[in-house]
Amino acid sequence: QEKVQQSPESLIVPEGAMSSLNCTFSNSASQSIWWYQQHPGKGPEALISIFSNGNKKEGRLTVYLNRASLHVSLHIRDSQPSDSAVYLCAVMNYNQGKLIFGQGTKLSIKP
Amino acid sequence: NSKVIQTPRYLVKGQGQKAKMRCIPEKGHPVVFWYQQNKNNEFKFLINFQNQEVLQQIDMTEKRFSAECPSNSPCSLEIQSSEAGDSALYLCASSPGQGARYFGPGTRLTVL
Repeated sequence: QEKVQQSPESLIVPEGAMSSLNCTFSNSASQSIWWYQQHPGKGPEALISIFSNGNKKEGRLTVYLNRASLHVSLHIRDSQPSDSAVYLCAVMNYNQGKLIFGQGTKLSIKP
Repeated sequence: NSKVIQTPRYLVKGQGQKAKMRCIPEKGHPVVFWYQQNKNNEFKFLINFQNQEVLQQIDMTEKRFSAECPSNSPCSLEIQSSEAGDSALYLCASSPGQGARYFGPGTRLTVL
């Protein structure tokens, strides 16, 4: 069974700074990695996904994937108070049709 | 933004009672998932459907849990005899196929 671990458990970042979140997974054959954002009282919302080794940029978000080290990271540039939420890393295995979630990182942006 | 609709948003039941929640997936999404999210943010996959047919489900859903996704009606998840350990956020998600899953706001079930 695929295991997904996120770190840190919680993170406090000043407004305008970079937020960096980490995720490790157990199966190098996992086919794509997704980052979801979840605000209190709401369902998770997909932010960005990556399939190939390397990095992918969308707006203020950059994600880095290193399959050899089974590691993916999410970086949020110019963090805003509205970015405060729980961030979930999820690994998709298309063959099994499964999406396995990590336990989340709670991000708080302080004005 | 997700257009998945879940009702009710909150559900309170006594132990042994039935608990039923509904989900309307996004229009045009043939795949529907149910997940349970506990207070520690742990996600447990329960069951998924494609065009009303069950694709996968875990053992738990074969015992006290039942789910269906009839055509032209909301999907539903029902717990026949609620237990305290069932207290959680139940999330419905839909998908056009492979790839992103669009989640609803969830039904918060509290079993007293």
